[in-house]
Amino acid sequence: QKEVEQDPGPLSVPEGAIVSLNCTYSNSAFQYFMWYRQYSRKGPELLMYTYSSGNKEDGRFTAQVDKSSKYISLFIRDSQPSDSATYLCAMRFNKFYFGSGTKLNVKP
Amino acid sequence: GAVVSQHPSWVICKSGTSVKIECRSLDFQATTMFWYRQFPKQSLMLMATSNEGSKATYEQGVEKDKFLINHASLTLSTLTVTSAHPEDSSFYICSARGAGGGFETQYFGPGTRLLVL
Repeated sequence: QKEVEQDPGPLSVPEGAIVSLNCTYSNSAFQYFMWYRQYSRKGPELLMYTYSSGNKEDGRFTAQVDKSSKYISLFIRDSQPSDSATYLCAMRFNKFYFGSGTKLNVKP
Repeated sequence: GAVVSQHPSWVICKSGTSVKIECRSLDFQATTMFWYRQFPKQSLMLMATSNEGSKATYEQGVEKDKFLINHASLTLSTLTVTSAHPEDSSFYICSARGAGGGFETQYFGPGTRLLVL
């Protein structure tokens, strides 16, 4: 069983839609939960991170962690074409464990 | 955020040759650098962690004699894939972190795609 599972997509949505990206994990020792955005030919950049269960909001982005279900989500409101990228979830316990990434395409 | 560069971005080589990939922190001093590998449709997997001036720490299953890591300065780390074989074809990506920085200050390079023929 993989440590972190993420649907690779691709996910295609119209501009303005609400996007939901999700990951599941198996290791209950994970302490930090991160979302990275990776544009084509660029390295991943940290979008948001959370430490515990609950929600964290930053502008159009909301990160949600449910430790009891071992499930994390990233919601993007009012999605824009500039949000088109690959989104990686990552978790940390001593080191990083990444999901395989979900490719998102927001159509104008 | 800080900038990390990698060179080359693409490399194609013949089986049996060695390939060197450079990772540079352009605007900060990176006391720790990480090397990852990503196969198609799979996760980024940590290969090794290197601290400036020290030997790299390799993850289980990663051959240290095959993947030589040198972190000789605070702005440069190199990964050398020795005697590369087709199964080493992958996307290699580095990240760098400054002194006292937490994981949120770990910045990633754009990656190097290696194809071994």
